[in-house]
Amino acid sequence: DAKTTQPPSMDCAEGRAANLPCNHSTISGNEYVYWYRQIHSQGPQYIIHGLKNNETNEMASLIITEDRKSSTLILPHATLRDTAVYYCIVKASGTYKYIFGTGTRLKVLA
Amino acid sequence: SQTIHQWPATLVQPVGSPLSLECTVEGTSNPNLYWYRQAAGRGLQLLFYSVGIGQISSEVPQNLSASRPQDRQFILSSKKLLLSDSGFYLCAWSATSGFYNEQFFGPGTRLTVL
Repeated sequence: DAKTTQPPSMDCAEGRAANLPCNHSTISGNEYVYWYRQIHSQGPQYIIHGLKNNETNEMASLIITEDRKSSTLILPHATLRDTAVYYCIVKASGTYKYIFGTGTRLKVLA
Repeated sequence: SQTIHQWPATLVQPVGSPLSLECTVEGTSNPNLYWYRQAAGRGLQLLFYSVGIGQISSEVPQNLSASRPQDRQFILSSKKLLLSDSGFYLCAWSATSGFYNEQFFGPGTRLTVL
């Protein structure tokens, strides 16, 4: 079973920041938080991951709460091409299985 | 750089017919390989994963099977398709070395069983 809870859908205006929340209240100490996104009819694409520190790359920022029970993926300036389903996944390092939930369907509006 | 191929891209098959989907990875050695299925409007369901040649772990009991005859080849098969086998089939790979092991997905095969 997926260990994360995400809202089923969100809207965001183009050019604004998109903040996608994820609850992972049962996360273990050795589990990382991963984010992927899936644009319609394509395979999922890796975005970012983190353990307990905030992380930033060219695609997004990941904010993890101090107790690690929740996190937020931030797309700083959403574009129409960011419309996709975003998946939050927790997985222990060195393990093989990713359990994808149903994700958040983000719609960026012009 | 690494690439992952899947074929065919789309497939329409009658109920009761056999199935064979192929996935190959280039540019890496000894990858972990995965098969997922995504029903229309649903999330991804992990079907099989493999950590080496001939090593297959099944996540969901069903009429599908997987094989890994070569290091970078992963095959999904069925002897008799069911209507419920329709969906979007995705192959993915991850590195066995390294700490984080993010997965990289192929373009997928859209299967319709009639």
